[in-house]
Amino acid sequence: GAGVSQSPRYKVAKRGQDVALRCDPISGHVSLFWYQQALGQGPEFLTYFQNEAQLDKSGLPSDRFFAERPEGSVSTLKIQRTQQEDSAVYLCASSSSGYGSRQPQHFGDGTRLSIL
Amino acid sequence: DAKTTQPPSMDCAEGRAANLPCNHSTISGNEYVYWYRQIHSQGPQYIIHGLKNNETNEMASLIITEDRKSSTLILPHATLRDTAVYYCIVQTGNQFYFGTGTSLTVIP
Repeated sequence: GAGVSQSPRYKVAKRGQDVALRCDPISGHVSLFWYQQALGQGPEFLTYFQNEAQLDKSGLPSDRFFAERPEGSVSTLKIQRTQQEDSAVYLCASSSSGYGSRQPQHFGDGTRLSIL
Repeated sequence: DAKTTQPPSMDCAEGRAANLPCNHSTISGNEYVYWYRQIHSQGPQYIIHGLKNNETNEMASLIITEDRKSSTLILPHATLRDTAVYYCIVQTGNQFYFGTGTSLTVIP
């Protein structure tokens, strides 16, 4: 497909389990972003990659959250020892240019994570 | 960090123009204003963006005041499919600050 693809669309996990969320950006897009969206709220920035380099991780809420993009394409957001407050929709976005670019971000439909 | 203020909800009659306001009084000179919308269970969809000039594309028009402290998104002929949450965003570096947006309901 031509857009940003995220998988799985829905994930249910028990508290304390580790989860991994995948993002396939638009082919050739340099920049990749992860956001967290709580129910009824706007998305909140988590982290930013330019190619394989993680240039900004200031939004990650704790050291349980880890993101990687080893080959500058697909990215994985991993959450260790999940807590109930981690329940949210996790959105991935990509854009065609690098740091400081004014190119718009294109979003996937997100992964809805529910922690029981 | 520049932030935006939007009314929480608005209604618009189908076929009429929808005018969605946004206040961004702390915006810096090189920060762009972006508009996105989000339909339930989907990711945000890009609409339009601008710096200081008015912009128009096939979806909407963006009017930015001369002092850049506010802007208005105009959907010229609203349809039922335009019902969504609309976010006005100021980009700082690489970060988008979404806020809580305006929930627009288009009424038949």
